[in-house]
Amino acid sequence: ILNVEQSPQSLHVQEGDSTNFTCSFPSSNFYALHWYRWETAKSPEALFVMTLNGDEKKKGRISATLNTKEGYSYLYIKGSQPEDSATYLCAFLIQGAQKLVFGQGTRLTINP
Amino acid sequence: DTAVSQTPKYLVTQMGNDKSIKCEQNLGHDTMYWYKQDSKKFLKIMFSYNNKELIINETVPNRFSPKSPDKAHLNLHINSLELGDSAVYFCASSLIFVSYNEQFFGPGTRLTVL
Repeated sequence: ILNVEQSPQSLHVQEGDSTNFTCSFPSSNFYALHWYRWETAKSPEALFVMTLNGDEKKKGRISATLNTKEGYSYLYIKGSQPEDSATYLCAFLIQGAQKLVFGQGTRLTINP
Repeated sequence: DTAVSQTPKYLVTQMGNDKSIKCEQNLGHDTMYWYKQDSKKFLKIMFSYNNKELIINETVPNRFSPKSPDKAHLNLHINSLELGDSAVYFCASSLIFVSYNEQFFGPGTRLTVL
């Protein structure tokens, strides 16, 4: 059974502060890691798809890093804003598999 | 323009009934998926279709039957609904079958079985 674990499960951050959270996945047979942002009452939206060890991706104030050898990815948010409040999901794909396995998500709340 | 749409958004029905959820994507994608958000909030894959062909059929009861009349549509039909089928169901699509391509999700259908 493939497990994708995200920590922490929830996080409260003051507006303006920076934050980060973790996605852990099996390190063998890695193929790709997806990050999604899921606002309440909306549908998940893709942030990044990462495939290479050492990859770093950035979109505005949000960035992500990938370590496939040790099986983790970090998502960073710089200068948090209230609109960053959402659940952040990661999903893992192994070689030869045909499906994404999702983590439970990190629920981020930005306090004004 | 909604990229991936689902209807209905809410569905309340009695145990034992048969119901369908429709999904359409206007992105020109080859692959479509159905996910179930379980009680612990995990998104779990149920089915995926590539060019109208079934690719993934997870261990889902055979009361659930997907139908893909064309590449842009993937409907989910559920027979003899049970209380445990209550969940939020999400449709998604991607450019090609699961790879580096991100998935685009519909708004979800909240199914409540009474």
